[in-house]
Amino acid sequence: GQQLNQSPQSMFIQEGEDVSMNCTSSSIFNTWLWYKQDPGEGPVLLIALYKAGELTSNGRLTAQFGTTRKDSFLNISASIPSDVGIYFCAGQVPGGYQKVTFGTGTKLQVIP
Amino acid sequence: GAVVSQHPSRVICKSGTSVKIECRSLDFQATTMFWYRQFPKQSLMLMATSNEGSKATYEQGVEKDKFLINHASLTLSTLTVTSAHPEDSSFYICSALGYGYTFGSGTRLTVV
Repeated sequence: GQQLNQSPQSMFIQEGEDVSMNCTSSSIFNTWLWYKQDPGEGPVLLIALYKAGELTSNGRLTAQFGTTRKDSFLNISASIPSDVGIYFCAGQVPGGYQKVTFGTGTKLQVIP
Repeated sequence: GAVVSQHPSRVICKSGTSVKIECRSLDFQATTMFWYRQFPKQSLMLMATSNEGSKATYEQGVEKDKFLINHASLTLSTLTVTSAHPEDSSFYICSALGYGYTFGSGTRLTVV
């Protein structure tokens, strides 16, 4: 089955710094999604990407759909304490009954 | 925006008993819902895809007789963990496919 590897696994950053994380797949996806999960809560969608090369922003967040369709990255600019959480990438395969496969997650901690 | 309500948020049950978890789409109809399980510090693992009016599709390794899924209406899917054991203790999350994928807030199941 598909595997989505995220890196880094975890990171500590200073408030105000920019953050970059990425996600790579062993197979092609036709949709990439980025979610944030707070402890004890369900994931919340941050950005959805639907075509190769697409670059989409949502406030301080920017994500790109890799041209090979096997990777994606998420950038957070000027981090703030409430950015703390676990970020998951997720991909949807062509013809996969709309199932979504989640990445391994990146745990972000922001030092005030 | 789309809202998915999941209930209960946490439940403790005795080993051998059954527990039902509900997932409702509040302001949209969802012909497809998904059930995930998440162990501590791990990613979300898809258990099954629930389709309104038909049998659920289970992922490999998920026991369909243990995890009963019913999607009787366009706004409600239920997951019943039958004869629960301590190893079933986990965080269960549903998502509904409507305007994209919207997740519920999860159910923390503890089997004692």
